[in-house]
Amino acid sequence: NAGVTQTPKFQVLKTGQSMTLQCAQDMNHNSMYWYRQDPGMGLRLIYYSASEGTTDKGEVPNGYNVSRLNKREFSLRLESAAPSQTSVYFCASSDSSVYNEQFFGPGTRLTVL
Amino acid sequence: KQEVTQIPAALSVPEGENLVLNCSFTDSAIYNLQWFRQDPGKGLTSLLLIQSSQREQTSGRLNASLDKSSGRSTLYIAASQPGDSATYLCALNTDKLIFGTGTRLQVFP
Repeated sequence: NAGVTQTPKFQVLKTGQSMTLQCAQDMNHNSMYWYRQDPGMGLRLIYYSASEGTTDKGEVPNGYNVSRLNKREFSLRLESAAPSQTSVYFCASSDSSVYNEQFFGPGTRLTVL
Repeated sequence: KQEVTQIPAALSVPEGENLVLNCSFTDSAIYNLQWFRQDPGKGLTSLLLIQSSQREQTSGRLNASLDKSSGRSTLYIAASQPGDSATYLCALNTDKLIFGTGTRLQVFP
């Protein structure tokens, strides 16, 4: 039972390059989330998808786009990476009940030079 | 706007001590509160979830309490061990999770 998986684990980009972070869950959850974690700032929500076919902005969506490819997969795209996007990115998922416990992936450590 | 504060930011204790980590919040309109553990360079592991209607939850040596009227939650760790060393995060669910900045715990032998 893999839970939530993320690829890649590490990535180094140059300013202006683009890339997509991949996330998949095998728990049949309806809701999926993307967070970034920065020192002293805690985890902040970038985008979320309450159910397949829907996406909504979180607290810090600028510079990112997302795609809910199907129920299992939720990707995060940086179209033109900036040094301010250097961070650790976490994907999470949950069922849609009020219980709503979130389960997290291992993270992607991204450095933008 | 909901604000979540965790005090202390860091804590170092000898093995065997019982300890309390604190989480305070400004808005009591929450669905639930979740405590996580994060090891260096790793993801978040869910430890306990307390529903808004509950007062506490227990799992092994861990006990989490919730007092919405005072805007506080505590995570109690009994008989601490070096393996408990990690950062502990609380997060409030108001249909989205709002995280505190964590308490970094070190338990030394």
